[in-house]
Amino acid sequence: NSKVIQTPRYLVKGQGQKAKMRCIPEKGHPVVFWYQQNKNNEFKFLINFQNQEVLQQIDMTEKRFSAECPSNSPCSLEIQSSEAGDSALYLCASSPGRVSNERLFFGHGTKLSVL
Amino acid sequence: GQQVQQSPASLVLQEGENAELQCSFSISTNQVQWFYQRPGGRLIGLSYIPGMKPTGKQTSSTVTKGRHSSLTISSSQTTDSGTYFCVLSKNNNNNAPRFGAGTKLSVKP
Repeated sequence: NSKVIQTPRYLVKGQGQKAKMRCIPEKGHPVVFWYQQNKNNEFKFLINFQNQEVLQQIDMTEKRFSAECPSNSPCSLEIQSSEAGDSALYLCASSPGRVSNERLFFGHGTKLSVL
Repeated sequence: GQQVQQSPASLVLQEGENAELQCSFSISTNQVQWFYQRPGGRLIGLSYIPGMKPTGKQTSSTVTKGRHSSLTISSSQTTDSGTYFCVLSKNNNNNAPRFGAGTKLSVKP
C-alpha cells in the first residue's frame, strides 16, 4: 500500500490565483514525479525530481509552475496563475529509483478546480 | 507518437467472467506496471514487472518480448469495476513513465 501523502485533497481557485499542492513521498524514495490527470483520464507528466534536483520537466511546467522538493520538507507544486484548463487531478508519485526497482507509488491526488 | 496502447478501451463483464486486458508498447521495455483506479480514487498498484507479483488472487500479468503486456482478471466481481492503466515504467530513452489511456471495466451483478 502506498504511503505517499498529498495535501490538500481538494483545491478551488479563481482564474489568476496561485494554486499550491504538496506531497510527502514514501520514506527512502529519492525520486518524485508529478502528473496531471484530466477528466478524460489522460496523464500528462509535469516534472520529476531526484532528491532535490529536477530531472525532467515539460515546457508548461517550466513556464507556469513552480516546483521543489527540499530536503526534510514536503515537495510542492504551485501554479503561478491558474487557468480554467488547469482543472484536473494532480498526482504525486514516489519511487525507489533503483535500476532494479522503479515501481511507482501514488498519493490520492489533489483535485484542482479553477472557476 | 503514442507509446503505450491499451485495449480494449472499455469492457463489460458479468460477475464471474474472466478478462484479459492488453497493453502494447512502441518501444521495448522490461518494466511495466499495472494500476487500478476508481473514479476520483487513488491509483492502486496491481503488479510490477519485474519483481512484484500481482496482488489479489484474481489477477496475473505478463510481459512478452518487451513489447506487450497483459493483465488477467479471473472470476470478476462488481468491486473490480473501474479503470485499469498500464504504465511503461522504463525505457531506453530515460523518459518519465508513460501511461496508457486505460481500459474501463464494468462488472455487472
